Amino acid sequence: AQSVTQLDSQVPVFEEAPVELRCNYSSSVSVYLFWYVQYPNQGLQLLLKYLSGSTLVESINGFEAEFNKSQTSFHLRKPSVHISDTAEYFCAVSESPGGTSYGKLTFGQGTILTVHP
Amino acid sequence: DAMVIQNPRYQVTQFGKPVTLSCSQTLNHNVMYWYQQKSSQAPKLLFHYYDKDFNNEADTPDNFQSRRPNTSFCFLDIRSPGLGDAAMYLCATSRPHSGSEQFFGPGTRLTVL
Repeated sequence: AQSVTQLDSQVPVFEEAPVELRCNYSSSVSVYLFWYVQYPNQGLQLLLKYLSGSTLVESINGFEAEFNKSQTSFHLRKPSVHISDTAEYFCAVSESPGGTSYGKLTFGQGTILTVHP
Repeated sequence: DAMVIQNPRYQVTQFGKPVTLSCSQTLNHNVMYWYQQKSSQAPKLLFHYYDKDFNNEADTPDNFQSRRPNTSFCFLDIRSPGLGDAAMYLCATSRPHSGSEQFFGPGTRLTVL
């Protein structure tokens, strides 16, 4: 079984400031890692994911996350945020191939990012 | 555009009155999921289908049932809604591989009076 902990429930920042949303996971098996974003009254959208290879992954809108196996972390960062980044962000894990729970995601509790002008 | 559609977006029902939420997809994905999301909480998986193969999560109440008549459609039936079942219900689809992205619908917000 896996679990995901997002250490901050709310993160307020000013526009153009950097931000880091923290995510730690625990699992007895190898995992894939995901960040999803949820805008108000909408479903979740994939922001980025780590499957293998380079531990630093990037999204098209300037977010990046780094997989740190020794610290079991997958923190999300953006060097300069915009008002439009205001949303709730969920970290999630799934078992990598060979597991019995193909595709099933375990989500963290979510972090509400609020960007102020 | 290929997508996941949920109807209705908002559903109001009375305590104990059965309600059905629907989900359809144009992605032709094998796997469909139903999640319950309460305010300020993580989505909680209720069950999922791999084609016709139904997989119930161990802690999903018996009050929740699901049907998948074909690849495109999936329904969530709540037989006797209680006040605690008020939530956002999210449908998602994916290919049947670990690491595959899940595509979410916009959700149905259920209110129980």
